[in-house]
Amino acid sequence: KNEVEQSPQNLTAQEGEFITINCSYSVGISALHWLQQHPGGGIVSLFMLSSGKKKHGRLIATINIQEKHSSLHITASHPRDSAVYICAAMNYGGSQGNLIFGKGTKLSVKP
Amino acid sequence: GAGVSQSPSNKVTEKGKDVELRCDPISGHTALYWYRQSLGQGLEFLIYFQGNSAPDKSGLPSDRFSAERTGGSVSTLTIQRTQQEDSAVYLCASTLRPTPQGSGELFFGEGSRLTVL
Repeated sequence: KNEVEQSPQNLTAQEGEFITINCSYSVGISALHWLQQHPGGGIVSLFMLSSGKKKHGRLIATINIQEKHSSLHITASHPRDSAVYICAAMNYGGSQGNLIFGKGTKLSVKP
Repeated sequence: GAGVSQSPSNKVTEKGKDVELRCDPISGHTALYWYRQSLGQGLEFLIYFQGNSAPDKSGLPSDRFSAERTGGSVSTLTIQRTQQEDSAVYLCASTLRPTPQGSGELFFGEGSRLTVL
């Protein structure tokens, strides 16, 4: 079992739909990152959070430390949101430079 | 610079040749990561540098791969005697020093696309 699991692996939505991507982790973390990777493009950081909730525009990230679970929500989705969304757990003192990545969720938003 | 800079952005080489990929992290970022991403796949950890500490080389796939970081800033990933399976995008990321309380935001470079013929 991977230490960081994302679901779903693939997600297709219609424009305007509310989208949720989930991330569960089995290690102790000091922070959790949500990242976005567009096709053929680089990776950009969306959020870093260690508790509660953060909001940026139409994007909302939440984390429940007790349940070791984080969600990324997209409200009023748009085709330009189509990308791979990746969560990464910062596990201080752990392996791989303290950072463990999920395998990503590929989101496709249809007009 | 304002972001993480990687060069070259594209590199085509012949099997058996050596290649060097460069990463210039954000100034002040002591943590630097190298990842490899094959087409349609996730990020594969290669190596991690933190300040003057010994690097975590646990992800390097073979002894043909090596990396160094000079002066705590620029890093070079070297692949010797390249093979076709080395073809991938090589990504570099930097952040402030990780602590038990977390770290700063992660910043990725645009990557170096390596094609081995």
